[in-house]
Amino acid sequence: QKEVEQDPGPLSVPEGAIVSLNCTYSNSAFQYFMWYRQYSRKGPELLMYTYSSGNKEDGRFTAQVDKSSKYISLFIRDSQPSDSATYLCAMSELIQGAQKLVFGQGTRLTINP
Amino acid sequence: SAVISQKPSRDICQRGTSLTIQCQVDSQVTMMFWYRQQPGQSLTLIATANQGSEATYESGFVIDKFPISRPNLTFSTLTVSNMSPEDSSIYLCSVGGGGGYTFGSGTRLTVV
Repeated sequence: QKEVEQDPGPLSVPEGAIVSLNCTYSNSAFQYFMWYRQYSRKGPELLMYTYSSGNKEDGRFTAQVDKSSKYISLFIRDSQPSDSATYLCAMSELIQGAQKLVFGQGTRLTINP
Repeated sequence: SAVISQKPSRDICQRGTSLTIQCQVDSQVTMMFWYRQQPGQSLTLIATANQGSEATYESGFVIDKFPISRPNLTFSTLTVSNMSPEDSSIYLCSVGGGGGYTFGSGTRLTVV
């Protein structure tokens, strides 16, 4: 079993739809929970991160963490074609003084005009 | 957040040769991280590079294959040695801590 599971998609939705992206994990020691967006031929770009259970909102993006269920989500409201990218969840654990990141496989998202 | 310049952005190399990838950060950082992203896959940590000490490698990665240098607090190199087609991947460097990490734009390596 992978430490972090993410449905690779692909996911295709019409412009303006609400998008829900999800990851599950098995390691209770994970401390930070992150979402990255990666456009084709680019490096991952940090969208949001959270440290505790609950919701965090930034514009059209909402990150949700449920530590009891080991489940995290990213919601995108009023989705735009420019949101078309691969979305990666990542989680980190403190090991020997450094946060070690573990990534999900990434979900390829397409927003259709 | 830090800005990372990574080069080359892409290369096509012959099997058996080596390629050195460079990462320059616009601020001093203690740790730099090197990742591999194989086609259609997620990112896998290769090693963590601290300035002034040997890099720490993750399971499945060895120094002879992926030697790393970290001569100062703003620069690091990763060499992919004795390449085979299985080494064809995107290689990325990263800096950061806590919940926030910045990535370079990546080096797309194709081994023929």
